[in-house]
Amino acid sequence: QSALTQPPSVSGSPGQSVTISCTGTSSDVGSYNRVSWYQQPPGTAPKLMIYEVSNRPSGVPDRFSGSKSGNTASLTISGLQAEDEADYYCSLYTSSSLWVFGGGTKLTVL
Amino acid sequence: QVQLVESGGGVVQPGRSLRLSCAASGFTFSSYAMHWVRQAPGKGLEWVAVISYDGSNKYYADSVKGRFTISRDNSKNTLYLQMNSLRAEDTAVYYCARDKAPELRFFVAPGPFDYWGQGTLVTVSS
Repeated sequence: QSALTQPPSVSGSPGQSVTISCTGTSSDVGSYNRVSWYQQPPGTAPKLMIYEVSNRPSGVPDRFSGSKSGNTASLTISGLQAEDEADYYCSLYTSSSLWVFGGGTKLTVL
Repeated sequence: QVQLVESGGGVVQPGRSLRLSCAASGFTFSSYAMHWVRQAPGKGLEWVAVISYDGSNKYYADSVKGRFTISRDNSKNTLYLQMNSLRAEDTAVYYCARDKAPELRFFVAPGPFDYWGQGTLVTVSS
């Protein structure tokens, strides 16, 4: 069982916005800003999309944004496109647990 | 451009050993910590192990501690994962990944996994 809880699935139509949550506790997500998000289309390796809660690596579209409130981090994808269909994972580094992943969320573009 | 290419996967019997390799190119390998992350078939991601840029520090997930050993050869730009006493639950695609934080910054503020290889499949079965 993952230490970080994600919804198993979310969906949206092209052009819409979707938000994927990643919930932990006051001891992990609530205390650390080393939250990152990864995109994994079927049959491919994960790709870093967001790091340190809200930073985008170069090359990642600004349609992808990250935030955190309390014990929950969120990834928002605006202007949904068919190519965004993938599994999304949150990850957190803490000094006690080192690196942990959420269970993953399957995004379906309707 | 950064490239990470894993190799060494295959089918192995329970209790046996296997060594994975990850060949790196396109960046100064000796300046970055490196990770192994695995993904069981149809399941999520699980962090396995990390080694600091100079090999001086190594950390493991509880699920592999005492059975797996991470190492690196900076002269060959290669990362390794020695897997002993393999179990059925170790069946997974194993990815190597670079830590975004270079050199000493890794010890202060470990980064995310900013580049990933394509993965190599390890199947533990009799």
